[in-house]
Amino acid sequence: SQKIEQNSEALNIQEGKTATLTCNYTNYSPAYLQWYRQDPGRGPVFLLLIRENEKEKRKERLKVTFDTTLKQSLFHITASQPADSATYLCAWVSGGYNKLIFGAGTRLAVHP
Amino acid sequence: DVKVTQSSRYLVKRTGEKVFLECVQDMDHENMFWYRQDPGLGLRLIYFSYDVKMKEKGDIPEGYSVSREKKERFSLILESASTNQTSMYLCASCRELDQPQHFGDGTRLSIL
Repeated sequence: SQKIEQNSEALNIQEGKTATLTCNYTNYSPAYLQWYRQDPGRGPVFLLLIRENEKEKRKERLKVTFDTTLKQSLFHITASQPADSATYLCAWVSGGYNKLIFGAGTRLAVHP
Repeated sequence: DVKVTQSSRYLVKRTGEKVFLECVQDMDHENMFWYRQDPGLGLRLIYFSYDVKMKEKGDIPEGYSVSREKKERFSLILESASTNQTSMYLCASCRELDQPQHFGDGTRLSIL
């Protein structure tokens, strides 16, 4: 079956450092991956989309990479701030483009 | 800016009750989705709709039904609520299926 896996353990980092979150997928090669941010008690908010023919995508302090050989996407937040503390979800579209499959998310805590 | 509004943030119901969760979007999106989110399991798709009166089952449709009589409104119905349906329910919409989804803030439903 199609699966997408994120590190279930929380990631704790110091303010100013770069946070790197991992998303691995199995069995299928997605045409693209999406990353979302979710704050407690709120719905996910879309951040970035990267297609299979793109190696890297950037938006301000955010960077996403997509390695189809490793079947992995990395999500980086540079110069992290306490306000970046949240759960980050990756998702990919199943074959036929009819639904998103979400990972369980990784909780990021940035400490002052 | 897209707004997806869910009718209740918190809801408490009893086992066996028929429960209605409502979702409205204001951007004329074709596609609407209902997910449930449980700790460690991520978002799981219950049903989605790609047009008025059209619906497709997601990964976990058992015990649920949906209704889409108007383009902007998508309702999730728990026919006879059970305690294992206690969860966070999230509604989302998007214009095209390969575009990012916009989420509401969720309804935390407790079935006693």
